[in-house]
Amino acid sequence: AQSVTQPDIHITVSEGASLELRCNYSYGATPYLFWYVQSPGQGLQLLLKYFSGDTLVQGIKGFEAEFKRSQSSFNLRKPSVHWSDAAEYFCAVGVTDSWGKLQFGAGTQVVVTP
Amino acid sequence: NAGVTQTPKFQVLKTGQSMTLQCAQDMNHNSMYWYRQDPGMGLRLIYYSASEGTTDKGEVPNGYNVSRLNKREFSLRLESAAPSQTSVYFCASSSGQGLQETQYFGPGTRLLVL
Repeated sequence: AQSVTQPDIHITVSEGASLELRCNYSYGATPYLFWYVQSPGQGLQLLLKYFSGDTLVQGIKGFEAEFKRSQSSFNLRKPSVHWSDAAEYFCAVGVTDSWGKLQFGAGTQVVVTP
Repeated sequence: NAGVTQTPKFQVLKTGQSMTLQCAQDMNHNSMYWYRQDPGMGLRLIYYSASEGTTDKGEVPNGYNVSRLNKREFSLRLESAAPSQTSVYFCASSSGQGLQETQYFGPGTRLLVL
């Protein structure tokens, strides 16, 4: 069965510093991979997704993610964080034994300090 | 466009009471979903509707029922609420089937069952 692990429950980063959020997945075939962001009191918003092709994916709000098959990872990065990036971030893998189901990780809470 | 809207935003129930969570989308999407979000567990799929007139169980359907009222609306009903159903509930929609279709999320309903 597919699974998604986000090893970091909570990360604190200074404004202007770089950010990297880790995501590891367990899946037998080439996965469909997603990163979502949830701002306080809001629903989830898609940051980026990977289906195939170039392993470095660009998303919205200056985020990017790199798919590494050898490490079963899909880490999210941003070179310079803004205070508005404080949110919870979820990695998800597409469950391809059905047509549209997503398996979510437990999430990483990002706190941005001045 | 309002996107995906959910009502109510917050609800307190006593054990055994019933209630219906409402979800509507104005994006002419075919597929709709209900998730629950619990601390440390990410989002888990309760039910989904691939198209108007069809519904299917997700990962955690016990204790819930759904109705796809029409193309716009997808409701979630708790017949006899239990404390274990205390959670944040998210509705989502996508234009069609398949993992390549982005899911758009509503702002959520916070439910507390005493």
